[in-house]
Amino acid sequence: DVKVTQSSRYLVKRTGEKVFLECVQDMDHENMFWYRQDPGLGLRLIYFSYDVKMKEKGDIPEGYSVSREKKERFSLILESASTNQTSMYLCASSPTGAGGYEQYFGPGTRLTVT
Amino acid sequence: GIQVEQSPPDLILQEGANSTLRCNFSDSVNNLQWFHQNPWGQLINLFYIPSGTKQNGRLSATTVATERYSLLYISSSQTTDSGVYFCAVTEYGNKLVFGAGTILRVKS
Repeated sequence: DVKVTQSSRYLVKRTGEKVFLECVQDMDHENMFWYRQDPGLGLRLIYFSYDVKMKEKGDIPEGYSVSREKKERFSLILESASTNQTSMYLCASSPTGAGGYEQYFGPGTRLTVT
Repeated sequence: GIQVEQSPPDLILQEGANSTLRCNFSDSVNNLQWFHQNPWGQLINLFYIPSGTKQNGRLSATTVATERYSLLYISSSQTTDSGVYFCAVTEYGNKLVFGAGTILRVKS
């Protein structure tokens, strides 16, 4: 079974702090993604990566950066957390190629910025 | 970009009843997935179904790509089926576009 894990289920941070959200997948997938989910706005893509050290902006990259130094790990960084970044953050991974692009999600991190 | 619409937005069922959830999309797609989001927030993969019909236990799904819709069938519903059901598509590449979801509540 595909397993995607995230470093924390719940996180509380203060405004202005630097925040790291970590995601690890164990299926050797090329692609990894970060989404955020907000009531009334649904799930929106922040960033994705299709290879080590490669990244692409999603729909809402402002205020975020990412890092992918190893294939299995994709980190989301909030350089200076703000209250409007309080949200549910979901990481996903998928293979690439002829087998299709089914995405698998981690359990999510509920981040509260106070 | 591609638009994804799900219906109904809310559904309340008595345990044991059957239901059909619908997903319409505005353009051709190369990937369609159905997910169930449990009360703890995790998205569980139900089906990867860009076309055709698949079944998994009490759940089945059909995608008619030429008519740009997909259906998720839940038979003999159970209280554990409660949660939010999402349809998501990609029109190209790897970016998933999600519908707004259907909130399902199954009463015992």
